[in-house]
Amino acid sequence: GENVEQHPSTLSVQEGDSAVIKCTYSDSASNYFPWYKQELGKRPQLIIDIRSNVGEKKDQRIAVTLNKTAKHFSLHITETQPEDSAVYFCAAIWTGGGNKLTFGTGTQLKVEL
Amino acid sequence: DVKVTQSSRYLVKRTGEKVFLECVQDMDHENMFWYRQDPGLGLRLIYFSYDVKMKEKGDIPEGYSVSREKKERFSLILESASTNQTSMYLCASSLTLRRVFFGSGTQLSVL
Repeated sequence: GENVEQHPSTLSVQEGDSAVIKCTYSDSASNYFPWYKQELGKRPQLIIDIRSNVGEKKDQRIAVTLNKTAKHFSLHITETQPEDSAVYFCAAIWTGGGNKLTFGTGTQLKVEL
Repeated sequence: DVKVTQSSRYLVKRTGEKVFLECVQDMDHENMFWYRQDPGLGLRLIYFSYDVKMKEKGDIPEGYSVSREKKERFSLILESASTNQTSMYLCASSLTLRRVFFGSGTQLSVL
């Protein structure tokens, strides 16, 4: 089955700095990689995703990159703001027939003023 | 907006009790999931279901069972609750797995 590792477990940055969270996956068949954000006391919500036929995807201040050869994918947040403080989860899945969505262990991001 | 509703926000049970956690979704999604969330361990998949009456074990199914008699409802059952099952339980549903919708969670304490 799929195994997703996520680093770091905690990340503290100054407001305005960039933050990078990295994940690796084990199943080379995985072809879809979503990122979820969970604010304190709230449910996780999808913020961005990337498919295996794309190397990079951007949405305003967030971007995700994928290296299929190395089985790495990363979340990049630029110009961080206090409202970016949350737990971020990466995930990996094979959409070709599997129904199991495996998440990483999460990264607690704290943006300090 | 998709609604995934979990019946209880907080639940306190005693060791050995049988516990039912209920989840209902209103979007006719085939896929439903139960995760538990613990600090430092992230979201761990307990069971999932891709159709009515179908169930598959996730990564940590021991001590749990599930029931899906109707498409919109997915129940998690703790046959005999133990203290190590104290956790936040999150239900989720999805049509294609490209976007998963979570419930607001049930914080279960087993004393």
